[in-house]
Amino acid sequence: DVKVTQSSRYLVKRTGEKVFLECVQDMDHENMFWYRQDPGLGLRLIYFSYDVKMKEKGDIPEGYSVSREKKERFSLILESASTNQTSMYLCASTGGGETQYFGPGTRLTVL
Amino acid sequence: RKEVEQDPGPFNVPEGATVAFNCTYSNSASQSFFWYRQDCRKEPKLLMSVYSSGNEDGRFTAQLNRASQYISLLIRDSKLSDSATYLCVVNPPSGTYKYIFGTGTRLKVLA
Repeated sequence: DVKVTQSSRYLVKRTGEKVFLECVQDMDHENMFWYRQDPGLGLRLIYFSYDVKMKEKGDIPEGYSVSREKKERFSLILESASTNQTSMYLCASTGGGETQYFGPGTRLTVL
Repeated sequence: RKEVEQDPGPFNVPEGATVAFNCTYSNSASQSFFWYRQDCRKEPKLLMSVYSSGNEDGRFTAQLNRASQYISLLIRDSKLSDSATYLCVVNPPSGTYKYIFGTGTRLKVLA
């Protein structure tokens, strides 16, 4: 069974803090994704990575960066958190097929 | 026009009813189509892929209409456990795994 884990289920941070969200998958998948999900807007792609150290911007990369130093781990970084980054963050991975396996999500609140 | 559009619902149906959702997409060259299910405060999970010829999985039937650019999901004999949000997902032909998610259709099956 594919397992995608995320470092925190709930996180509360203050404006201006640097925030790290980590995602780990155990199925040797090449592709990993970070989305945010907001009511009425659905899931929007922030960044994805198709290999170690490779990344590509999604639709809303501003204010975020990513790191993929190992195949199983994909980190999302909020350089200076702002209140409009309060959201649900979902990590996903895919292998050879197109099925995306999601982690349980991190609900981030920025005060 | 949004790239992927769904009626947000909610669709309130009695147990045992048949219910159908549609999802329209704007890019006529889109290649892959999926339905995901998302329970409240949980991550999305693949329900089924949608094939050109249509496909069925138990009580669930998915169809693709390329001419009119929509996909549909039919649920027969609805169960209480079918209550969830159903997300339509489209993969445009860019080859970069930039899946596009609809905002979801909420289904409530009532006893």
